[in-house]
Formats: sequence, C-alpha cells, structure tokens
Amino acid sequence: GQQVMQIPQYQHVQEGEDFTTYCNSSTTLSNIQWYKQRPGGHPVFLIQLVKSGEVKKQKRLTFQFGEAKKNSSLHITATQTTDVGTYFCAGRNDYKLSFGAGTTVTVRA
Amino acid sequence: NAGVTQTPKFRILKIGQSMTLQCTQDMNHNYMYWYRQDPGMGLKLIYYSVGAGITDKGEVPNGYNVSRSTTEDFPLRLELAAPSQTSVYFCASSYLLLAGDSYEQYFGPGTRLTVT
Repeated sequence: GQQVMQIPQYQHVQEGEDFTTYCNSSTTLSNIQWYKQRPGGHPVFLIQLVKSGEVKKQKRLTFQFGEAKKNSSLHITATQTTDVGTYFCAGRNDYKLSFGAGTTVTVRA
Repeated sequence: NAGVTQTPKFRILKIGQSMTLQCTQDMNHNYMYWYRQDPGMGLKLIYYSVGAGITDKGEVPNGYNVSRSTTEDFPLRLELAAPSQTSVYFCASSYLLLAGDSYEQYFGPGTRLTVT
C-alpha cells in the first residue's frame, strides 16, 4: 500500500534560522495535505497541494509539490517560537489520507 | 459551530475492561475517521465511515469496533482493553472526497487512554 515518509523526524532550530522538512511517497499522489500539531494539541490543516510543481506560501511557510507528484517539502524561514510543533504531510489514498510520521520542531531562543 | 467534539478527554482502563469513545461533529460532514497516535509514530487509521450506516476498516482495526447510525456521531468501541491500546485517539471529519480532489480533515481534541 501507499507509504508516506517524512524526514527528518526531529528538527532543532535556532530562532531566526530557516529549515526544510521533506515528505516522500512510494506512489504518485493526487494531492498532498500538510497539518500542524502543537504540543498536547490536535492536528490542524495548513494547506493542500494539487498540481505538479505547485508552490504555495503562507507568510513564512513555503510548501512545494514535486514535479512527479511523489514528494513535497515545507520550508520555514526565520523560525519563531510559535513554529514549535509537529508537521505532518498526508497523501490521498482512496477515501483516506495516509499520514507521514511527522517532523517535530523545537526552537532554541 | 463546536466542530468535532470528543469525550472523555482522559481515561484509565484496566486490562480486559471495555469502553466507548464518543465523537460528534456538527458540520454535516459525511466522512468521519478514527485515528490513534503513538509517540513518534504519526497517525494510524483505525476505522472510517463515508456516511451513516457505512463503515470500513483502516490500517489497525483489531480490538476496535465502530458504528455510524447518524451523520453526526461516530463512536469507537474498545472491547477487552489491552496495554497495546494505550494511545491518544483522534476523531476527524471531512466533506465528501470528490474524484481527484480532497477536503481538509477537522480533528477533535483527542482522548488520552491508558490501559494498565
């Protein structure tokens, strides 16, 4: 079945620095979604990418869908303490989403 | 709208006990899901439903049962609780997934379950 993998599992970032987290699928995806989960909270939808090569921005967050629609990335610039949490990507699989294991981000002030 | 609500928030069960996790959504979503989240393991789908009266298994259905008698409610039943079922359980809902498209999933606050 479809597998979605995320790297790195943990990301420790100095406040103000940039970082990127990656999502890779074993199969071609019709679309991909990104969610953020704050510590002790529940996943919250961030964005959906549908088109090959699509790039979307939300303030300091930039999301990209690969040309082959098998990978995606999330780039955060000028990391802030509010960026702390776990970021999940999820690929469409029939009527369901297959979630990656997530990248947990901590920020050093 | 309250969105997706779950009860209880916390529960401790003894091995062999049973319980029902409640999930209700007020957004008239036809799709509903149950996930479990173990530390560092992401979200694993237990069961899902595409509408009232229709349910199907996800990746990890063993030890659980569900029912969907109304659009709003999607309870998850644990029979004969085992320590391996210690986890955080999330219920989620979404609109109809049209061909080639998807809609975001709205998650409830979760139920933290410990089986000892």
